[in-house]
Formats: sequence, C-alpha cells, structure tokens
Amino acid sequence: DADVTQTPRNRITKTGKRIMLECSQTKGHDRMYWYRQDPGLGLRLIYYSFDVKDINKGEISDGYSVSRQAQAKFSLSLESAIPNQTALYFCATSDTGTATGELFFGEGSRLTVL
Amino acid sequence: DQQVKQNSPSLSVQEGRISILNCDYTNSMFDYFLWYKKYPAEGPTFLISISSIKDKNEDGRFTVFLNKSAKHLSLHIVPSQPGDSAVYFCAGPSSGTYKYIFGTGTRLKVLA
Repeated sequence: DADVTQTPRNRITKTGKRIMLECSQTKGHDRMYWYRQDPGLGLRLIYYSFDVKDINKGEISDGYSVSRQAQAKFSLSLESAIPNQTALYFCATSDTGTATGELFFGEGSRLTVL
Repeated sequence: DQQVKQNSPSLSVQEGRISILNCDYTNSMFDYFLWYKKYPAEGPTFLISISSIKDKNEDGRFTVFLNKSAKHLSLHIVPSQPGDSAVYFCAGPSSGTYKYIFGTGTRLKVLA
C-alpha cells in the first residue's frame, strides 16, 4: 500500500459543485502539503500544514480551503468548482527530522471541472 | 520569495549519452535544493539533493552541480537510459522554510 494515499484518483464534476480531495499518510510525518500541476506551470503550492493546528496558504490558495483532521489526514476542498481548477492535484508529506525536508508525494488526483 | 526556473521544457538525448538538466534560482537564501522525477500517472519521486555548503553531490548515475555565484544548478545523468525518460523538477525552499517551490519541469526523452 502507498504511504501517501489520495482519494479520489479521478473525478469529473460540474461548475459550481463542491469537491473534496482527501489525503491520508502512514509515514508519521507532521508536515503535509497540497500542490497542483498544470502543463507548463509545474507544481504550485496551494496550502501546507506543519502540524495539526497549523494551516498556511501557499502560492495559489484562492478558491481552495483545507482541513487537517489529524496528523495523518489533510483534505483539500473546492467550495464552488470552476473550469480553471481542472488540474492534477498532489498531496505530499515531509518529516521534521530530516535536514532536506524531502517531500513524499501521493499518486495524484485528476480533477476535471466541466 | 524564492523563484526557481527551468528554462528548457524538453530535452532529447541518445541512450548512453549524458543528459544535462538546468535550473536557475533568484534568491540566495536556501539550505538545500532537491530534484524530483515524475513518470506519467505517478506522483513525483525524490531523486537527489544538494546542500548549499557543497558544489557537487553524486548518487550513482546522477550528479547535481551547484554554482552559487551564478545561482544555477544542473543535474547530470550519465549514461542516460530509456527508463530515465520522465519529467524532472528542481525545487528550492521558499524563505528558508520547508515550503518548497518547484520549477516548471523539463521533459527528458532518452532515445534507444
């Protein structure tokens, strides 16, 4: 089983719908992140959390919200989805004990907003 | 905030030759840079890192070079193999934290 699990893996929805992407991890890491990947734009940081009580905005947080339900769970919500939120979304974790803060990614959630 | 740039969107190399992927950054405040590899339908996976106190780090066929005066780093893959065909991202920490900013990626194609 994957250490960082994202659900759903694929989702097609309509404009205006509320969508939640969920992430759970078994690595025991405190830090969790949500990124989105778009062609030609690379990976952009949406939100990150360094522990259960910590939530921070990233580069492109507008239109998104997050919830850190537990150390192992970090969910991303789109309250009212719009077509330009069509993208591949990645959850990632990192360990406070490493010098590099290396990120471990999930397999991604592909979201299409019609 | 730290900006990380990969100016080459794609690169094709013959099998057995050297692949050189480049990355530029704009802010000098960092501890580490990371390189990630991404195959289609998979999440990015960590490849190699380099510390700001070094100018080279090597791991098997992969070597990363850091030129601090030019604010430039490069990833060398020698010899290149078809299985190395993937998108490669460099990443640097923003504002000295563990909030990593990624470049736009370079798609490497190794031709058999």
